Amino acid sequence: QVDLQESGPGLVKPSETLSLTCSVAGGSISDSRYYWDWIRQAPGKGMEWIATVFHKGDTYYSPSLKSRATISVDASKNQFSLRVKSVTAADTAVYYCARRASVAGQYCDIWGQGIPVTVS
Amino acid sequence: QSALTQPPSVSGSPGQSVTLSCTGSTRDVGFYNYVSWYQHFPGKAPKLIIFDVTERPSGVPHRFSGSKSGNTASLTISGLQPEDESVYFCCSYAGNYAFIFGGGTKLTVL
Repeated sequence: QVDLQESGPGLVKPSETLSLTCSVAGGSISDSRYYWDWIRQAPGKGMEWIATVFHKGDTYYSPSLKSRATISVDASKNQFSLRVKSVTAADTAVYYCARRASVAGQYCDIWGQGIPVTVS
Repeated sequence: QSALTQPPSVSGSPGQSVTLSCTGSTRDVGFYNYVSWYQHFPGKAPKLIIFDVTERPSGVPHRFSGSKSGNTASLTISGLQPEDESVYFCCSYAGNYAFIFGGGTKLTVL
């Protein structure tokens, strides 16, 4: 059973960089059947896709965050990470990491429970 | 790209059927057969209950079913049970690896 767990600081100051890590347990991040996503939910809003990474390093970003976000993978640690620079209060959200199945179809079949991040 | 539109709340009595809607556009729901639905209890990991419009992951009860017509996808829950009370949100693939989500519907079991 694959499990995802987000980690990182819960409080970030405006203009600084938010850094989060997702640890993958019970499966390999190098499994070619999957990509790995970061998704967030601001208070009172719906989910927002941020970025996607493949274990070989291919990355894809939401146009709204592309200039500030960086997603990366560390296969040796079975982890992937997100950095968002120059944060503002609008980046306050619960951040989720998720596994994306994309060989046939496009959907996130496993999610972490989320980590709340406040920019203040 | 605008979010998918979901009603904020729906309700039903135990044993009844309810249908939750998710409206997008010709660029997402209407173009791709990649709509997924998630059950989300606050503070917990969202759980996939429908993928690729109509497919159910193993372990998800047959009471949950998905469909699509034009730009609107639907999730139907038959034989409503008290434990179905939760937030349900939809998601559509929108091309270039992008996902677009609905705002979520709170289902209340009366």
